[in-house]
Amino acid sequence: DTEVTQTPKHLVMGMTNKKSLKCEQHMGHRAMYWYKQKAKKPPELMFVYSYEKLSINESVPSRFSPECPNSSLLNLHLHALQPEDSALYLCASSQGQPTTNEKLFFGSGTQLSVL
Amino acid sequence: ILNVEQSPQSLHVQEGDSTNFTCSFPSSNFYALHWYRWETAKSPEALFVMTLNGDEKKKGRISATLNTKEGYSYLYIKGSQPEDSATYLCAFIGNYGQNFVFGPGTRLSVLP
Repeated sequence: DTEVTQTPKHLVMGMTNKKSLKCEQHMGHRAMYWYKQKAKKPPELMFVYSYEKLSINESVPSRFSPECPNSSLLNLHLHALQPEDSALYLCASSQGQPTTNEKLFFGSGTQLSVL
Repeated sequence: ILNVEQSPQSLHVQEGDSTNFTCSFPSSNFYALHWYRWETAKSPEALFVMTLNGDEKKKGRISATLNTKEGYSYLYIKGSQPEDSATYLCAFIGNYGQNFVFGPGTRLSVLP
């Protein structure tokens, strides 16, 4: 199984809602990532978990809250988002820790719209 | 702020043409460069991971070269096919924890 599975594929939420994005991989990868991608822009790194510990937080607002319950799962909890947070949220994983030469395996993303 | 650039922004070629595009990155603190292909409605897929100056990698009709001293990598596609239509992203990894900074991508359209 070489897939990274993200759910849901699409999400529409209001600014007062609380929702969660989920990401799962069963490749035994020990690093997992959240990226945000706005239209016609490159993916921007948000968070990195390495061995289930948060190792990188790229100054992301606290309305985004990551969680890594175990080595196969990565969640992104959303609360009080703004319309400008509307974007494609990509999850990725890699075999080793970040800053290695391991390639990333990506999910197909969650397209989020905040109304 | 790390600057990773790609050119051209978009490219239209005829089926059978060969093409190439460029990724430029800081030449200092280099650790690795990745190339990804991202087809519409699919996940980005890794093509190459390159670490050594002078590296050349090949996968079928696609190949890549790396020059870390001058800070660029070329991606070549020989005999383009419609299924090569995608956005090609490079990602720079630096020595000091700059993780996977992506370039803006080159959007390739191969016309039958």
